[in-house]
Amino acid sequence: GAGVSQTPSNKVTEKGKYVELRCDPISGHTALYWYRQSLGQGPEFLIYFQGTGAADDSGLPNDRFFAVRPEGSVSTLKIQRTERGDSAVYLCASSLGVGFTDTQYFGPGTRLTVL
Amino acid sequence: AQKITQTQPGMFVQEKEAVTLDCTYDTSDQSYGLFWYKQPSSGEMIFLIYQGSYDEQNATEGRYSLNFQKARKSANLVISASQLGDSAMYFCAMREGGGYQKVTFGTGTKLQVIP
Repeated sequence: GAGVSQTPSNKVTEKGKYVELRCDPISGHTALYWYRQSLGQGPEFLIYFQGTGAADDSGLPNDRFFAVRPEGSVSTLKIQRTERGDSAVYLCASSLGVGFTDTQYFGPGTRLTVL
Repeated sequence: AQKITQTQPGMFVQEKEAVTLDCTYDTSDQSYGLFWYKQPSSGEMIFLIYQGSYDEQNATEGRYSLNFQKARKSANLVISASQLGDSAMYFCAMREGGGYQKVTFGTGTKLQVIP
């Protein structure tokens, strides 16, 4: 079946602009996660959804970052007033459930560059 | 304290040889899962293998095996018969079961397979 998809694959924007990054999880997966990966680092947790609600948003760096999942499937990560430090690869993952045995499957990521 | 520690920033291995990538973890939970992911230069995180804290046998998936030593809190990845396509970043990750649902990643090991 289809894996996790993310659009766009690349996004270049100017400092101060607003961006939206989209994630389409594997069909039937109830949990969806956003991570940010800077060059040479492991993925850093941002937020996860169980169904439509954000179950843990403790990784969002500040209030410029916001994510939604209105129908429990597709999710959008929104970044307001982008800064150069927001440049990174944003990864989305989904899992069937949220138990410690549930494997997360990742999408190809969106590379965000803020000029 | 770091929850996941990967002490080898880079490793070289001769083609067709076996290689071990180290991972130690820190948790007070009894229930947790350990995961290894491969990230080629294309950027996508590919799930390789999973080990649960209650699993008595070491996990194996084809050429990948996980050397799980619970008392030492280590979960090393062993790749047998290395291939050129194994050259990539490898990340160890942990998911704790105590209601703490996010997955924590290590900093990764860059493996290069030499012909």
